[in-house]
Amino acid sequence: SQQGEEDPQALSIQEGENATMNCSYKTSINNLQWYRQNSGRGLVHLILIRSNEREKHSGRLRVTLDTSKKSSSLLITASRAADTASYFCATDADGANSKLTFGKGITLSVRP
Amino acid sequence: NAGVTQTPKFRVLKTGQSMTLLCAQDMNHEYMYWYRQDPGMGLRLIHYSVGEGTTAKGEVPDGYNVSRLKKQNFLLGLESAAPSQTSVYFCASSPGGLRGMQYFGPGTRLTVT
Repeated sequence: SQQGEEDPQALSIQEGENATMNCSYKTSINNLQWYRQNSGRGLVHLILIRSNEREKHSGRLRVTLDTSKKSSSLLITASRAADTASYFCATDADGANSKLTFGKGITLSVRP
Repeated sequence: NAGVTQTPKFRVLKTGQSMTLLCAQDMNHEYMYWYRQDPGMGLRLIHYSVGEGTTAKGEVPDGYNVSRLKKQNFLLGLESAAPSQTSVYFCASSPGGLRGMQYFGPGTRLTVT
């Protein structure tokens, strides 16, 4: 399956610390996306990184992609209590009509 | 801009009952999707649509039907609900194809007893 797998499953950190979450996948991709889901809400798109990109930034978010290792990481710097949420990576396989496949998610808790 | 809206927000059904979940988007997106989210399973694609009048099966289509009669609406039907369909259902839309960024609705929590 093309499904991305996030690691760790759960992460608990203190406010102000950095949070690093990883996603691994199995086959070649066109792009990889990260989404956030607050409790009881829908997913919100955070960032998209294409297969020919290695790093991308958006505010306090930094995403890296290593296609040779088939992995990506999402770094949230200077975390805040409001960052408490589940984070999902989504990948799409190389090929026509490929659709996004979501991982099972990482639960991040940021303690005030 | 309301974005993607879903009705209802919560529903309890008895086994064998039917219902329709409504998804509406006001962003003029061509692509729309229905997912279900279960604990430990992530999001799984049920059905999707690449435009008005079109629908296609996703990863877990059995027990569900969909219709896209209008571009802005995507309906998900359960003809005979089963306890295995207890889940949170999310609708999403995207402007830029099946691989692009998706906009999600707030979800519908369905319990089948």
